[in-house]
Amino acid sequence: AQTVTQSQPEMSVQEAETVTLSCTYDTSESDYYLFWYKQPPSRQMILVIRQEAYKQQNATENRFSVNFQKAAKSFSLKISDSQLGDAAMYFCGFQWGAQKLVFGQGTRLTINP
Amino acid sequence: DTEVTQTPKHLVMGMTNKKSLKCEQHMGHRAMYWYKQKAKKPPELMFVYSYEKLSINESVPSRFSPECPNSSLLNLHLHALQPEDSALYLCASSQDPGRRTDTQYFGPGTRLTVL
Repeated sequence: AQTVTQSQPEMSVQEAETVTLSCTYDTSESDYYLFWYKQPPSRQMILVIRQEAYKQQNATENRFSVNFQKAAKSFSLKISDSQLGDAAMYFCGFQWGAQKLVFGQGTRLTINP
Repeated sequence: DTEVTQTPKHLVMGMTNKKSLKCEQHMGHRAMYWYKQKAKKPPELMFVYSYEKLSINESVPSRFSPECPNSSLLNLHLHALQPEDSALYLCASSQDPGRRTDTQYFGPGTRLTVL
C-alpha cells in the first residue's frame, strides 16, 4: 500500500521569510507522480506544484519549489517570500496510476505578519 | 480555464431526505471524481468516472449513489444518510484517465450537514 506522511501538523513563518514543509512516502512503485495541493479557508483544493518521479530536476513554480529525493522517498515543499495568502492547509499527494491519488494528513501553515 | 463548479455550497438535510450534489466542468476532461473530507483530514476518494463509466467505487455505502449523465456533469445522490456522513464533499476532474501523469483539479466543495 502507498502511504504518505507529513510529520508537521502545524507550521508558522514570518511574512516574507522562507518555510519548508516536509513529506515522505512509502511505495514499491517505480513510476509515480507527486503533488502539493493547498486548501485555504475557502476549502478549495488548489494545485501548487507537481513532480514526475523519473525527472531528476526539482520542479519550481514561482515562489514554490520542491526538493525531491527519490532514494530517500522525500518530497518537501519550499515557499519563498511567504505571503499572507499562502496561509492554508497543505497536502502532499502521491499518484501511482491513473486516478489513484492518496494524500498525507496535511500541514497547517500560518503566516505571521 | 481550470474551473470545476459545485452546487450547492451548503446543504442541510434530515436522515430521511433525498438530495443531490452537482458537479460540472467544461474543460473537456474525461474523468470525474467524488471525494469526502472530514474536518482536519485529507480528502478520501469515493468514486471515479472515466469516460462516463464508473471505474472506481471505494466500497462506499449504497446510500451514496453517483451518476454521470454526460462528460461534463457528475451528480451524487444522497438518501437516508447518517449524521456521520456530515462532511465536505469535493468533486474533481482530470483530462485523461488513461494517462499516468493525469492531474486532478478540484471544485470548491459542498458542505453537507446531516441532522
